[in-house]
Amino acid sequence: GAVVSQHPSWVICKSGTSVKIECRSLDFQATTMFWYRQFPKQSLMLMATSNEGSKATYEQGVEKDKFLINHASLTLSTLTVTSAHPEDSSFYICSAHGGGANQPQHFGDGTRLSIL
Amino acid sequence: GQSLEQPSEVTAVEGAIVQINCTYQTSGFYGLSWYQQHDGGAPTFLSYNALDGLEETGRFSSFLSRSDSYGYLLLQELQMKDSASYFCAVRDYGGATNKLIFGTGTLLAVQP
Repeated sequence: GAVVSQHPSWVICKSGTSVKIECRSLDFQATTMFWYRQFPKQSLMLMATSNEGSKATYEQGVEKDKFLINHASLTLSTLTVTSAHPEDSSFYICSAHGGGANQPQHFGDGTRLSIL
Repeated sequence: GQSLEQPSEVTAVEGAIVQINCTYQTSGFYGLSWYQQHDGGAPTFLSYNALDGLEETGRFSSFLSRSDSYGYLLLQELQMKDSASYFCAVRDYGGATNKLIFGTGTLLAVQP
């Protein structure tokens, strides 16, 4: 069964709306959670890395004020797309890693965000 | 910079064997992973190579050569359900955080 739960699976909203996406690790404590963005027929691009209880580390070119990440517990991270615009429409995928280089990284089912 | 290059598309027939290559250039390297992603779905983990050599898991095998910064995924006895995108990924522990960096992806089309 799924070890990482991501919600909602899809969102359609008007331009200017803020959207929150939740990512939960179900049966393990995720020391690190990752947020990826994927455009059609492209690869997964890492947006940011969040560690529980500390500020997220954003990849170059990702606006931290636009994409707010909170990792308040070892099982929950949230991504808030603030004042979303049509160009923010994409497939957002969270991932959790329990630690250790040999441990696989588990992915949520993704959130398809469409901004009208 | 960091880059992981893969062929963009591969086509093969059912029952055949196909190899998907990955060449990488990253600041740090802690193993090469392979993921499968069906259209609209989440990536699913296939295999991981920390050391040089071949790892076999059922119909899928993965190979790594660290000296050549190269790896491949080998899919045998192809089935229609294997049609998907395949990504290599490197775990980079450079800097303060660890992160999984994905390759450009290969779209595999399996034909009857």
